[in-house]
Amino acid sequence: KAGVTQTPRYLIKTRGQQVTLSCSPISGHRSVSWYQQTPGQGLQFLFEYFSETQRNKGNFPGRFSGRQFSNSRSEMNVSTLELGDSALYLCASSLDIGSGNYGYTFGSGTRLTVV
Amino acid sequence: AQTVTQSQPEMSVQEAETVTLSCTYDTSESDYYLFWYKQPPSRQMILVIRQEAYKQQNATENRFSVNFQKAAKSFSLKISDSQLGDAAMYFCASRGAASKLTFGTGTRLQVTL
Repeated sequence: KAGVTQTPRYLIKTRGQQVTLSCSPISGHRSVSWYQQTPGQGLQFLFEYFSETQRNKGNFPGRFSGRQFSNSRSEMNVSTLELGDSALYLCASSLDIGSGNYGYTFGSGTRLTVV
Repeated sequence: AQTVTQSQPEMSVQEAETVTLSCTYDTSESDYYLFWYKQPPSRQMILVIRQEAYKQQNATENRFSVNFQKAAKSFSLKISDSQLGDAAMYFCASRGAASKLTFGTGTRLQVTL
């Protein structure tokens, strides 16, 4: 069974540009969450999508957005990139939005560097 | 809101020995879940063990077990018979009704020969 796939693995962007990251969840998983990991702030929740609807959102500016498609694949977009957006972006999929019993399976992340 | 605290930035253990990683949490919710995740240099967060708060019995997964003290809001991870492959960052996390994970700051575990 394929795991959570995140593309690309690495990305270098210039300040002011925008970026789109992709996440394909485990087959059958309908919930996709995004997290930002930085040395200074640790792991922070960005948002969660379930059945193409955003169900939860973390405390991030509006430059961070996402969406989920009918096949449960998700994308997150960051516009007007800032140096502080450099981070590892992790995607996690879960079978059911309300089911802690199933846990969350993470991808290997996308390392974004803003220069 | 939930908070998770890991007070040990780094720990070291000899191969085959036992080590315990500490975690405390705070939540106002009655129904929540607790997790330990491992993040090796490959960056992928790997679920080590999970505990439902309503269950009294401590969760166990092979060499990994937890000591869940609900009243004290403590959730420590014990790794028995440590192996070189256990070396990684370990994150404690909680999840309440909002179905988002709140992570601690992590503990880097070093395993020595």
